[in-house]
Amino acid sequence: DVQMTQSPSYLAASPGESVSISCKASKSISNNLAWYQEKPGKANKLLIHSGSTLQSGTPSRFSGSGSGTDFTLTIRSLESEDFAVYYCQQYNEYPLTFGSGTKLEI
Amino acid sequence: EVQLVESGGGLVQPGRSLKLSCAASGFTFSTFPVAWVRQAPKKGLEWVASISSGGGVTYYPDSVKGKFTFSRYNAESTLYLQIDSLRSEDTASYYCARRQVQLRVFDYWGQGVMVTVSS
Repeated sequence: DVQMTQSPSYLAASPGESVSISCKASKSISNNLAWYQEKPGKANKLLIHSGSTLQSGTPSRFSGSGSGTDFTLTIRSLESEDFAVYYCQQYNEYPLTFGSGTKLEI
Repeated sequence: EVQLVESGGGLVQPGRSLKLSCAASGFTFSTFPVAWVRQAPKKGLEWVASISSGGGVTYYPDSVKGKFTFSRYNAESTLYLQIDSLRSEDTASYYCARRQVQLRVFDYWGQGVMVTVSS
């Protein structure tokens, strides 16, 4: 199975700042990586797929980069609505696997 | 508006079975693959089952193979997840999610249903 290692687990930042979250795969997954946002009381939201392609409706302050084994989610100019938990997911092969999550706190 | 609404969760004794349902609306159900993803309390997301648009092909991780059975009834836009021999480790929120046709990513999720396995 492809293990997805996300870091950091927790991240504290202020509105207006920029942050980056790392996701490393245990073997190459090409660009078959997605990022999701989890917020209490809301359905999970697909933010990015194919490593860097923004899903329709995702604000442009979100960006994804990387390929192979190393990926990064960057959020520029944080807004209050961005404070949430973020997960990466590889879909290069079954079983589909997620990272352990990064909680972004104010 | 795409909606996925799970039901059928609750408190179940170890060893018993449970069948979860997910009602879909707002899209052409029969053209999309779908999946179940679970999340144990204070843990991350775990994919547990996928099914093709027609229902003929299913995928499971080894951790649940033989224990979970995923089916769909396209005529009623409904998904079912049968979970047998429940154990405490199956305690989790279970989410149904629509999978994109071309990519194995989940573009719409339900709000989830809680399953608690305890005596």
